[in-house]
Amino acid sequence: QAGLTQPPSMSKDLGQTATLSCTGDRNNVGRQGAAWLQQHQGQRPKLLSYRSNNRPSGISQRFSASRSGNTASLTITGLQPEDEADYYCSAWDRSVGAWLFGGGTKLTVL
Amino acid sequence: QVQLVQSGAEVKKPGASVKLSCKASGYSFTNFFVHWVRQAPGQGLEWVGIMKPRDGDTGYGQRFQGRVTMTRDTSTSTVYMEVRSLTSEDTAVYYCVRESDSFDIWGQGTMITVSS
Repeated sequence: QAGLTQPPSMSKDLGQTATLSCTGDRNNVGRQGAAWLQQHQGQRPKLLSYRSNNRPSGISQRFSASRSGNTASLTITGLQPEDEADYYCSAWDRSVGAWLFGGGTKLTVL
Repeated sequence: QVQLVQSGAEVKKPGASVKLSCKASGYSFTNFFVHWVRQAPGQGLEWVGIMKPRDGDTGYGQRFQGRVTMTRDTSTSTVYMEVRSLTSEDTAVYYCVRESDSFDIWGQGTMITVSS
């Protein structure tokens, strides 16, 4: 079964840099990259980047995304308290004809 | 402004059906696909399916095929999703989401609780 794999949790200190990963295969992340979403507790998700390295207007430059092979990454620099949230990656999978989501990474800012 | 406004929370019994609505405003309704994504309590996001408002074409995730039907009303810029044969595993927040260079606009979510 196709799926996207994310580490379930990460903790970083205030002001540090966090790099979140999302691993898929050649049918999804490896083909078109991934989108990244941020979700604060009790709120709807918010799009942070799409097709691996494009940022919607209004999203801070502290968020940047990239892809290497079948793994997408989201880097958050200068961590702030408001960055504490769940982060999801998403990609279209051509083999199953469906959008996939990773299981999410819960980022804690200490 | 561009927004998706969803119908209110519902409580259903196992075996029942539910029909959710998602009203779009602030943009040309037929120019953008609309997806449904759900999130069970304390869990991650799960793609349910897609509606293409221009022609009404739909696509569903494998586990939802045969149990979910998406429709649209272009006169009111509204997308609907009906889920049948509900079980407790369908208890979740259901989001409608516009696709423009990915999932850029999310509705506020509709909580569906399935309980006897």
